[in-house]
Amino acid sequence: AQTVTQSQPEMSVQEAETVTLSCTYDTSESNYYLFWYKQPPSRQMILVIRQEAYKQQNATENRFSVNFQKAAKSFSLKISDSQLGDTAMYFCATVSPDKIIFGKGTRLHILP
Amino acid sequence: DGGITQSPKYLFRKEGQNVTLSCEQNLNHDAMYWYRQDPGQGLRLIYYSQIVNDFQKGDIAEGYSVSREKKESFPLTVTSAQKNPTAFYLCASSQGARGNQPQHFGDGTRLSIL
Repeated sequence: AQTVTQSQPEMSVQEAETVTLSCTYDTSESNYYLFWYKQPPSRQMILVIRQEAYKQQNATENRFSVNFQKAAKSFSLKISDSQLGDTAMYFCATVSPDKIIFGKGTRLHILP
Repeated sequence: DGGITQSPKYLFRKEGQNVTLSCEQNLNHDAMYWYRQDPGQGLRLIYYSQIVNDFQKGDIAEGYSVSREKKESFPLTVTSAQKNPTAFYLCASSQGARGNQPQHFGDGTRLSIL
């Protein structure tokens, strides 16, 4: 069965610092996708970034980038120049095969 | 603007009562999903539908029911058989029936017991 593990339940960093959120996954799919979602205090789920497994190049979206290690089944999210608005729950997710499996999340606090 | 609309935002249920949560999307997406989120927890899949008039159970379907009579609508009924319904419920949709497309989410419904 597909699984997603986020080993950091909670993290805190100072504003403007760089932070990395960890995610490991297991999947039987040969071609699959990985996602990071953000859930701020408003509870709205927002897609942060998507990675296609067959692409070796790591995805980037402005201050957000991933470190995708396919052999290790690792998909970490790096947030550069962190801002107060980045405070949220972050969920890692993968495909299984007709639905998305979410990790339990990492609660990230950006401190002023 | 295209999006997903969930209503109501807050809902209260009495003991023994069935309640229905609404989810409507105008994104022309094929697939729709219902998740339950408990405080400090991740998302657990209740039901999903890849096509009109068809749906599948997720990981925690007991005590819930759904219908998919129209492409844009996927209502969730929380029945009296669900003994612990207090939670935050999120509806999502995605283009295509496979899970390789990102899901778009509604703003959620918070259900509480009176």
